Amino acid sequence: DSGVTQTPKHLITATGQRVTLRCSPRSGDLSVYWYQQSLDQGLQFLIQYYNGEERAKGNILERFSAQQFPDLHSELNLSSLELGDSALYFCASSVGTLQDEQFFGPGTRLTVL
Amino acid sequence: LAKTTQPISMDSYEGQEVNITCSHNNIATNDYITWYQQFPSQGPRFIIQGYKTKVTNEVASLFIPADRKSSTLSLPRVSLSDTAVYYCLVGENNFNKFYFGSGTKLNVKP
Repeated sequence: DSGVTQTPKHLITATGQRVTLRCSPRSGDLSVYWYQQSLDQGLQFLIQYYNGEERAKGNILERFSAQQFPDLHSELNLSSLELGDSALYFCASSVGTLQDEQFFGPGTRLTVL
Repeated sequence: LAKTTQPISMDSYEGQEVNITCSHNNIATNDYITWYQQFPSQGPRFIIQGYKTKVTNEVASLFIPADRKSSTLSLPRVSLSDTAVYYCLVGENNFNKFYFGSGTKLNVKP
């Protein structure tokens, strides 16, 4: 158990819909990262937040957005969903800096029908 | 533009030493090299991190040559449970981005 929690574990929705994925980092970690992993694909870095502020941005679509709240939990919002958005979405947390060891959550499996 | 390059897959047998090499030609001065292990449908797990020369922990060694344009993860005496995908990660501090390599799928046979 990494100490990072993600909810929900599974999510099934339809094209055009909007969903919110939630992540709670390890106690004491200030950074939260979001990754997308499509079937048999590598990990695509989406975005990083540090202590409530956006710190780094990767290949995140404009239809996706994220935020980190004062209690340090984070949410990833996916809107106007397409079939191609079906994937595993991982959240990770670390103490703070870019090079820190990241602890990954169990992931949320999103299926868009 | 791919940041790192790894072999797509490797096969090994139980008890053998496995070396997985990652190429990162554009590594920046401040970048560290980190390796993660991922089992199917699970989040990746940190294995080892290094900056230069050699780093060793209880599960692996990491060899980094002087020019730092590549790195080699060494797994001593692998077992069936080491069957997983191994990712090489190089942070790009200047542009605040992370690049996971495509990953190397290691298959350990009995």
